[in-house]
Amino acid sequence: GEEVAQTPKHLVRGEGQKAKLYCAPIKGHSYVFWYQQVLKNEFKFLISFQNENVFDETGMPKERFSAKCLPNSPCSLEIQATKLEDSAVYFCASSPDRVGNIQYFGAGTRLSVL
Amino acid sequence: ELKVEQNPLFLSMQEGKNYTIYCNYSTTSDRLYWYRQDPGKSLESLFVLLSNGAVKQEGRLMASLDTKARLSTLHITAAVHDLSATYFCAVATMNRDDKIIFGKGTRLHILP
Repeated sequence: GEEVAQTPKHLVRGEGQKAKLYCAPIKGHSYVFWYQQVLKNEFKFLISFQNENVFDETGMPKERFSAKCLPNSPCSLEIQATKLEDSAVYFCASSPDRVGNIQYFGAGTRLSVL
Repeated sequence: ELKVEQNPLFLSMQEGKNYTIYCNYSTTSDRLYWYRQDPGKSLESLFVLLSNGAVKQEGRLMASLDTKARLSTLHITAAVHDLSATYFCAVATMNRDDKIIFGKGTRLHILP
């Protein structure tokens, strides 16, 4: 597609429940990035992929967060046993390659943990 | 570790005035981005700055980059209400990881 498609737009979970977010990058883009934006506007990098391979996962809280980008499927970000502080908007971005390229952002998924 | 600082974090200004948002970063980088975010919306790419001295302009917005000073500016000329939004600068790391680090954003409120 011509835009980064994120689903769902809004996800509500009780504490301890699982949450799974999806991202379809722009067709032909090799790189996918996940960011978390919390209430104070701050963006936190979580993880990036080059095609289906993890490129950089230094931002991921590995105990509960996991992500995948499998061929012919949307990428996914999964949070096991959600906590209140996981409430945020999760943005996915894609870019065609590394050098000097803009990252195109999806509309985001707002996760509310109650 | 790359850190990105924006200032001011909040700016309220009158229509027709000029103002500048500053973005400082702590380590060498070869790419700097400016994004706009409207409330509840995603990020819209405004500019990509790739080299020292780069200057780009779009309408009433102009961005520049000084890599020696590790400073970028976003200048607003004769502000109009439609420019009210939050503006983020983001700097790419130069390691293989290629992630971008965001500033905290400047919430710009333009009074009619």
